[in-house]
Amino acid sequence: DSGVTQTPKHLITATGQRVTLRCSPRSGDLSVYWYQQSLDQGLQFLIQYYNGEERAKGNILERFSAQQFPDLHSELNLSSLELGDSALYFCASSPVLGSGNTIYFGEGSWLTVV
Amino acid sequence: AQSVTQPDIHITVSEGASLELRCNYSYGATPYLFWYVQSPGQGLQLLLKYFSGDTLVQGIKGFEAEFKRSQSSFNLRKPSVHWSDAAEYFCAVGNRDDKIIFGKGTRLHILP
Repeated sequence: DSGVTQTPKHLITATGQRVTLRCSPRSGDLSVYWYQQSLDQGLQFLIQYYNGEERAKGNILERFSAQQFPDLHSELNLSSLELGDSALYFCASSPVLGSGNTIYFGEGSWLTVV
Repeated sequence: AQSVTQPDIHITVSEGASLELRCNYSYGATPYLFWYVQSPGQGLQLLLKYFSGDTLVQGIKGFEAEFKRSQSSFNLRKPSVHWSDAAEYFCAVGNRDDKIIFGKGTRLHILP
């Protein structure tokens, strides 16, 4: 158990809908990351937050957005869903910035768009 | 920009045989390098990491990796694999802001 909690574990929704994935980082971790894992694209970095502020952005679509709240939990919002958005979405966390901290992954949220 | 290449999508070895998984990275400064393992239906677990110092890094589960700056490589090795090592292995490179980019992974199959 990494200490990173993601909900829901599985989600099935229709095209065009909107979903929210939630992540609670490890206790004390300030940095939260979101990754998308699919068969064709591998593990893609989406976005990173640090202490409530966006820190780095990767291959995140405009239909997707994220935020980190004052209690440090984070949410990834996916809207106007398409079949190709079906993937495993991982949240990860690390203590502070810099010096190559280890990031710890949750078990992921499986999203299926039908 | 940082990037990682894992040239082998699948690797099959016999149980008890030695293993080497290849990883090449691209990054302008001194990289932070990681190997993670993902078992089916699970999240990623850190095997080992390199920040500085000794270029041969020991990790969990009997794995080790060697950082070779001249070859931009960080290959993962294990002298004798066990059936439970069957999984997907990801190499990753990080920068000083902890932005970590992963390779596409190598799936390891173990023959009995």
